[in-house]
Amino acid sequence: GAVVSQHPSRVICKSGTSVKIECRSLDFQATTMFWYRQFPKQSLMLMATSNEGSKATYEQGVEKDKFLINHASLTLSTLTVTSAHPEDSSFYICSASWTGTDTQYFGPGTRLTVL
Amino acid sequence: ELKVEQNPLFLSMQEGKNYTIYCNYSTTSDRLYWYRQDPGKSLESLFVLLSNGAVKQEGRLMASLDTKARLSTLHITAAVHDLSATYFCAVDSMDSNYQLIWGAGTKLIIKP
Repeated sequence: GAVVSQHPSRVICKSGTSVKIECRSLDFQATTMFWYRQFPKQSLMLMATSNEGSKATYEQGVEKDKFLINHASLTLSTLTVTSAHPEDSSFYICSASWTGTDTQYFGPGTRLTVL
Repeated sequence: ELKVEQNPLFLSMQEGKNYTIYCNYSTTSDRLYWYRQDPGKSLESLFVLLSNGAVKQEGRLMASLDTKARLSTLHITAAVHDLSATYFCAVDSMDSNYQLIWGAGTKLIIKP
């Protein structure tokens, strides 16, 4: 149980376009979802935390207008990279948890390449 | 298919003791990561291991990588209470299209 999926697993887009990444909890209701970013050969960096039905809390240095996070339901959160640029190319990972647990369940990640 | 197995999944130990968490993976990996997660909080990166024989140490934690055995270990020396957390290993490789494959995590409780 406690499976998290992400879609797409890989996306290539042109500079200036927007890309939406979906994170779904498949067999549980995720009251909290986290979005991470990983640069090549580096570790994960937390971008934001989102609770269902409320605005996401962004980490310092993360542009909220550029990385739009929506957590409209208990099974789905989306990250939209707006007006993507090559420096946004990275590996984006979500995780999900629910109230009462201290465990996060991680998605497989989405590799974004901006040309 | 790339799989990652951690053991033990749960570990309760006394302060001052030494212990090792094991992370086995099924195919070649490019990188192996160790993370710490405190209850209700996000991941904290501990180590990134890139090559066979790599050893990294930070305080009471030491991680090593044996790519031939497809095994990484996280060794805890003279454990203290504030090391209580859940520890995850993860690997990525060309085989996984560089997606992270996660271990199930090891919940470590260190009793005073």
